Amino acid sequence: GNSVTQMEGPVTLSEEAFLTINCTYTATGYPSLFWYVQYPGEGLQLLLKATKADDKGSNKGFEATYRKETTSFHLEKGSVQVSDSAVYFCALSVNTGRRALTFGSGTRLQVQP
Amino acid sequence: NAGVTQTPKFQVLKTGQSMTLQCAQDMNHNSMYWYRQDPGMGLRLIYYSASEGTTDKGEVPNGYNVSRLNKREFSLRLESAAPSQTSVYFCASSEAATGTGTGGEETQYFGPGTRLLVL
Repeated sequence: GNSVTQMEGPVTLSEEAFLTINCTYTATGYPSLFWYVQYPGEGLQLLLKATKADDKGSNKGFEATYRKETTSFHLEKGSVQVSDSAVYFCALSVNTGRRALTFGSGTRLQVQP
Repeated sequence: NAGVTQTPKFQVLKTGQSMTLQCAQDMNHNSMYWYRQDPGMGLRLIYYSASEGTTDKGEVPNGYNVSRLNKREFSLRLESAAPSQTSVYFCASSEAATGTGTGGEETQYFGPGTRLLVL
C-alpha cells in the first residue's frame, strides 16, 4: 500500500533559522508528491508539489526535491519567519483508482522571534 | 470564487444523533473527497466521488454515508453519531487527473473544515 512518514514535531526554531522537515514514502506505482500547510484554525493549502523524479517544487521560499532513489521529498527553507508557524503535511497520490491523497501525520513548526 | 465551502463550522452532537455535513465547490471540479483529521494521524479518506453520480469508499467509511447531489455539492451524513467520530472533517475537490502514466497532476483544494464533537 501507500504510506508517508514525516519527522515528528514540534519543531521549534528561531526566526531566520534553516528549516528541514523530512518526508519519506512508499507507493505502489509512480506517485506525485505534495506539501500542504495548515495555519491555525484553517484548512489545508497546497504549498508545493512535484510530479516526477528530480523535479523541484518551490513556493514562498520553501523547496522540496523529488528523490526517487531515496523515496524522499524533504521540505527546506533557508530562513524561516514567525508567519511560517503552522502544521506541514507531506502527501502523495498515485495515478490509479481513487487518486486520493495519502498523508503523513503532520509536523508542527513553531518559529520564535 | 469562494473555492470549497463547508457548513457548519462547528457542531456538538449527542451519541445517536444524526447530522449532515455540507460541502460545495465552485471550481467546476469533477472529483470531491471527504477526510477526517485526528491528532497525530494526518488526514484519512472517508469517501470520495470521482464524478457526478459516483461515490466510493475510502480508508475509514464505517458509520458514514455520502451523496454527490450534483457536480458542485458533496454531503457527508452521520446516521447515528458515536464519540469515535469526534474529529475535524475536511472536504476537498480536484480536477480529474490527466493520467500520463508517470504520476499525473492531482492538486486537491480544501475547505476550512467542520469541527465535530460527539458527547
